This record gives sequence, C-alpha cells and structure tokens, in this order.
Amino acid sequence: LAKTTQPISMDSYEGQEVNITCSHNNIATNDYITWYQQFPSQGPRFIIQGYKTKVTNEVASLFIPADRKSSTLSLPRVSLSDTAVYYCLVGDLGSNAGNMLTFGGGTRLMVKP
Amino acid sequence: GAGVSQSPSNKVTEKGKDVELRCDPISGHTALYWYRQSLGQGLEFLIYFQGNSAPDKSGLPSDRFSAERTGGSVSTLTIQRTQQEDSAVYLCASSFQSGISTDTQYFGPGTRLTVL
Repeated sequence: LAKTTQPISMDSYEGQEVNITCSHNNIATNDYITWYQQFPSQGPRFIIQGYKTKVTNEVASLFIPADRKSSTLSLPRVSLSDTAVYYCLVGDLGSNAGNMLTFGGGTRLMVKP
Repeated sequence: GAGVSQSPSNKVTEKGKDVELRCDPISGHTALYWYRQSLGQGLEFLIYFQGNSAPDKSGLPSDRFSAERTGGSVSTLTIQRTQQEDSAVYLCASSFQSGISTDTQYFGPGTRLTVL
C-alpha cells in the first residue's frame, strides 16, 4: 500500500512557477501517479498523470525521477484561480485487488496577488 | 454531458439513525469509487466497484458501513447507527474502467453528512 506525503501548505504569487512534491517511498511497480485539484465545496478534478520521467499537458508538468519514490507537480505562472488543494494519488486497482487508492493529505496552495 | 451526481447534497441526522447516500455515475462508466473527506482533511478511500461487484471492502471504516451497486449504475452507501465521527463529506467518483490505473476519476460534488 503506497503511502504518500506532501507539504501541508504553500504560498506563491501570481506569475510564479510552483512546484509541489509528493513522496511515495513504497510505490509499487504497477502504480501510476496522478494529481488532482480541489476547490472548496467541490470534488477533486484530474490535472495530470504519469508513470516515469516527465509528462506535460496544457495546465501542468509532472516530473518523476528514475526511482519513482517521489513526484513533482509543476504549475507554470500561477494565477489567483490556482488557489486550491492539490492531491497526489498513487495506486493501481489492476493486478492486486487488495490495493487501495491512497491520496496524500493534500497541499493547500495559496496564490497571492 | 452529465457528470457524477450525488444526493442529497446535505444530510443532517441524529446519532443512532441510519442514512443512505446515493451516487449516479457518468453513463457508461464501469468503475465507481467512494471516498470520505473530514473537515480540512484529505480523501480517505472507502470502496470501489467494478460493475456491481466490490473486490475490496477493507477500506470501509466499520461494519456499520456498507455499499451496493445495482445495474452497473447507481450506488448507495449506507451508514447504520450513525456516530458523530461519521460527519464528513462523502465523495463519489466514476471512471470508464478500473483495473487500468491510467483511468481518470470524475468526482461528484459530494454529500455533506452531519451527525448531531
């Protein structure tokens, strides 16, 4: 069961790049790493997913080192609307039915003007 | 198209009463997930369904919690003899198929349960 650890909170300013790291030392071979964003009173929303190396989409990049024991979500040029809680999710329901999905505790990002 | 819907949006109940929370997944999604989120806390995975079956129920906090899914669609999470510590937001998510960890989960707005 992969357990994840994230910083509780981070502050940033508009226009800056924000990097949020998630530690998952017990990640299994079949586990993927997924990041979600959650605004108050809403359910989480998918941001990005990866298995290894680097993944980039229109909103973020995800960096995963070779040992896969951590991952870093990178948000370029954040705006006030990026203020939210960001969750790292590690898990795979495929090969092992006993595996549960484990969300990190979430990182509360506050973007200031 | 319609997203994941949950009902009720808010539920206030008295300690000891039973409650039922409902989740309507996105049409065609075979996998359905239940999570619990206490105030200011992260998401706690409870159970997931592949079709109508739940391969792993060990995430349910106690035997007062149960869940079922019928017709590969609607799911109900039932909490019997509610306790104050059950107060939380209960989130449901669905995905096109589980067993493939690249699958994106789509979350509903949640049901806020308050046990007095």
